[in-house]
Amino acid sequence: DAGVIQSPRHEVTEMGQEVTLRCKPISGHNSLFWYRQTMMRGLELLIYFNNNVPIDDSGMPEDRFSAKMPNASFSTLKIQPSEPRDSAVYFCASSPGTGRYRGYTFGSGTRLTVV
Amino acid sequence: GQQVMQIPQYQHVQEGEDFTTYCNSSTTLSNIQWYKQRPGGHPVFLIQLVKSGEVKKQKRLTFQFGEAKKNSSLHITATQTTDVGTYFCAGPFDYGGSQGNLIFGKGTKLSVKP
Repeated sequence: DAGVIQSPRHEVTEMGQEVTLRCKPISGHNSLFWYRQTMMRGLELLIYFNNNVPIDDSGMPEDRFSAKMPNASFSTLKIQPSEPRDSAVYFCASSPGTGRYRGYTFGSGTRLTVV
Repeated sequence: GQQVMQIPQYQHVQEGEDFTTYCNSSTTLSNIQWYKQRPGGHPVFLIQLVKSGEVKKQKRLTFQFGEAKKNSSLHITATQTTDVGTYFCAGPFDYGGSQGNLIFGKGTKLSVKP
């Protein structure tokens, strides 16, 4: 299995531009998570999908952030418009499901820099 | 809200010394997971503990889950330079009995001097 695949690996964009991050979870995994990692705040959950349905988006910072999962093999996280404070590493992770005892598999992350 | 706290935040050791990181939850956990993130890398799942008082070993790593299922520890014996990285504990936020998202501690960053 190729694992969780994220693209792009690095993104540098100007403030105000739209940014789209992509994630392909492991086939058969029912749960997908978007995390943001910064030095100050650590790993923060942004949104969590189960069977393609958003379950908890309380971590999404504001309306500029949106996430979709149109099918079981693809998810996007969009920031529009982007701001310098959005600079962080964004991780996508998947797990086999809502069973209690499931470790997450993380993708390699997207390092976003907004200038 | 639910919180998972880890100490210390940083640990610098000489190669060959032991290392321990501690994790405490504000609530009782159904299970606790440990992850390792190498510099520039992504978190990698190490292990999951489920039972009260459980102890598991992976070579030089020993993981413990407290009797009250609110705390955990990771101990590394005789550290090596390959142990460098940040170690995170994580506990599930339960949604009415089923596991929702994991809440991660801030991690302990381990550096090892050769």
